[in-house]
Amino acid sequence: EAEVAQSPRYKITEKSQAVAFWCDPISGHATLYWYRQILGQGPELLVQFQDESVVDDSQLPKDRFSAERLKGVDSTLKIQPAELGDSAMYLCASSEGRGARNIQYFGAGTRLSVL
Amino acid sequence: AQTVTQSQPEMSVQEAETVTLSCTYDTSESDYYLFWYKQPPSRQMILVIRQEAYKQQNATENRFSVNFQKAAKSFSLKISDSQLGDAAMYFCAYFSGTYKYIFGTGTRLKVLA
Repeated sequence: EAEVAQSPRYKITEKSQAVAFWCDPISGHATLYWYRQILGQGPELLVQFQDESVVDDSQLPKDRFSAERLKGVDSTLKIQPAELGDSAMYLCASSEGRGARNIQYFGAGTRLSVL
Repeated sequence: AQTVTQSQPEMSVQEAETVTLSCTYDTSESDYYLFWYKQPPSRQMILVIRQEAYKQQNATENRFSVNFQKAAKSFSLKISDSQLGDAAMYFCAYFSGTYKYIFGTGTRLKVLA
C-alpha cells in the first residue's frame, strides 16, 4: 500500500541552527500539505502545494520557514534559524486534489526538538 | 473564521462498549465537509469518517457513525463495540471553502480491557 514518506523521523537541534524536513507524497498526488502539530493540539496547516505551486502559505512564518516542491513531487520544509518554540511534530500529507472529496493521506511525521 | 472545538481532552471506554466523542464547530458557510481522523501512538493519522454538510443522512463506516446536527453545529463520533485497537487520539476537522482543513485539539480515547 502506498504511503507518504517523511524523513527524518526525529530531529534534535540547537536553537539558531538550520533544519530541513523531507516529504515524498503518494505517487500521482498533486496536492501536498505541511502541518505543524504542537503537543496536545491538532495539526495546523503551514503550507499547501498544488503541483509545484504554493496555494496557501498564510500561516507559514516566512521570516524563518521556507518550503519548496520544485518538480511537483517531493517537498522540503526548512527552518532557519530554529527557535525553542518550533519544537513540534511536522506532518506531511498528500491527496489527489484539493477538494474535500480527495482523502488526505498523512506521513508518520518528523518530531523536532529544539534545545 | 471557522473554529473547531473538542471539549473532551480524554475519554475512556470498556472493550466492547460504546463511546461518543463530541465536536462542535462554528462557521458561516452553508456547504462544507466534516471529518474524524484517528492518530494512533507513533503512527500516521488516518481518516475515520467524513460527512458532507448538505447530506442530512448521518455517515457510517462499520463500527463508526456520526451524529451530525447542522443547526446546532455539532458533529459527534460514536464508536460501537470498542476494540483495543481503537485507542488513539481522535481529531475532528472542518474543511473550509478556502480548501483548508481546520482541526480541533483532539480527544484521547483509552480502551480498557
